[in-house]
Amino acid sequence: DAGVIQSPRHEVTEMGQEVTLRCKPISGHNSLFWYRQTMMRGLELLIYFNNNVPIDDSGMPEDRFSAKMPNASFSTLKIQPSEPRDSAVYFCASSPFSRGSFGEQFFGPGTRLTVL
Amino acid sequence: QKEVEQNSGPLSVPEGAIASLNCTYSDRGSQSFFWYRQYSGKSPELIMFIYSNGDKEDGRFTAQLNKASQYVSLLIRDSQPSDSATYLCAVRTGGFKTIFGAGTRLFVKA
Repeated sequence: DAGVIQSPRHEVTEMGQEVTLRCKPISGHNSLFWYRQTMMRGLELLIYFNNNVPIDDSGMPEDRFSAKMPNASFSTLKIQPSEPRDSAVYFCASSPFSRGSFGEQFFGPGTRLTVL
Repeated sequence: QKEVEQNSGPLSVPEGAIASLNCTYSDRGSQSFFWYRQYSGKSPELIMFIYSNGDKEDGRFTAQLNKASQYVSLLIRDSQPSDSATYLCAVRTGGFKTIFGAGTRLFVKA
């Protein structure tokens, strides 16, 4: 079975450019999470969805960040305009939240973003 | 106070020893508790989860939960050099939200 798929795996862009990160969750999982990881701040939850609906976006750092989940098999995280301080590894994770599950999450390989 | 706290380490143990990793959390309503392992340059990988007080064993790994003390631990028996990684404690605080600790770096010396 395929795990969580993220693309691109690496992204290098210049300050001010738009960046779009993509995620395909594990089939059948109904919750999706976007995280950002840096050495200084560790793993931070940005936003999560349940059944394609955003539940909590309080971790989104500012209005330059937006996320969508148009269907159960696809989500995007967009940064516009990008800034050097956005450089980090961005992870997508999915979870089979349902009766009987405990919230275990399965992570994609991540996208390493560098903003010059 | 951070919601999930871990000693950043590094924790260094000799091969074959028991490694003990600890985590405390602040939300008494927390429901489920997870340990993830993250190798350098890789994504977090779920090792174990626990939801009731006591011990839960899986191979060389044992998770321990004490809700009264708001404390979770992970024991790794017969530690191997391949266990060298960062271990993240995660707590499901309610609904779908899960909070991660900063992680403890473990080094197992051959």
